[in-house]
Amino acid sequence: DTAVSQTPKYLVTQMGNDKSIKCEQNLGHDTMYWYKQDSKKFLKIMFSYNNKELIINETVPNRFSPKSPDKAHLNLHINSLELGDSAVYFCASSQDYRGGGEQYFGPGTRLTVT
Amino acid sequence: SQKIEQNSEALNIQEGKTATLTCNYTNYSPAYLQWYRQDPGRGPVFLLLIRENEKEKRKERLKVTFDTTLKQSLFHITASQPADSATYLCALGPNDMRFGAGTRLTVKP
Repeated sequence: DTAVSQTPKYLVTQMGNDKSIKCEQNLGHDTMYWYKQDSKKFLKIMFSYNNKELIINETVPNRFSPKSPDKAHLNLHINSLELGDSAVYFCASSQDYRGGGEQYFGPGTRLTVT
Repeated sequence: SQKIEQNSEALNIQEGKTATLTCNYTNYSPAYLQWYRQDPGRGPVFLLLIRENEKEKRKERLKVTFDTTLKQSLFHITASQPADSATYLCALGPNDMRFGAGTRLTVKP
């Protein structure tokens, strides 16, 4: 059973389009995250939700909007895609965000904006 | 501003030797530090966590130290094997987990 799954795995789209990436975890964790890993492999946190409530919102353009319909799902919607949005996006989950629990990462979604 | 630096972008060692990776941080007081392994095309996988009041943690061939005075963590892989070749990331928490850029380790047979 996949612990953290993301769809799609690859996403190729044109500038200006709107796209969504879905994430689901079946670990019963309370906290979920979205990270962006750029071409230099630097992993940067974007958002974090705890029990459907936003707790971390880094300096991310408001074209990015996370949505958590329940604590097992955290989706990422991106409006008006730009070339600089091309990266690998990882979803992750942990038991909670305070206790230092390990994070489980999904396989990543490679977004290419042309 | 907060900064996390991992000693080098790439580290090459011979099989059987001990690999030592460094994670330094500034303007941060982490409650804990984690180490992850990332293989190409995959998400990071958790390896070890060490808390601010712990000096050392071990797991099989892995050892992590944490010096809050030096603001540094060392990650050791003893008796390294080619299968240990990967990128290793350190991460500081809590709350806003921040990752280092990673060190790409290559273990040559």
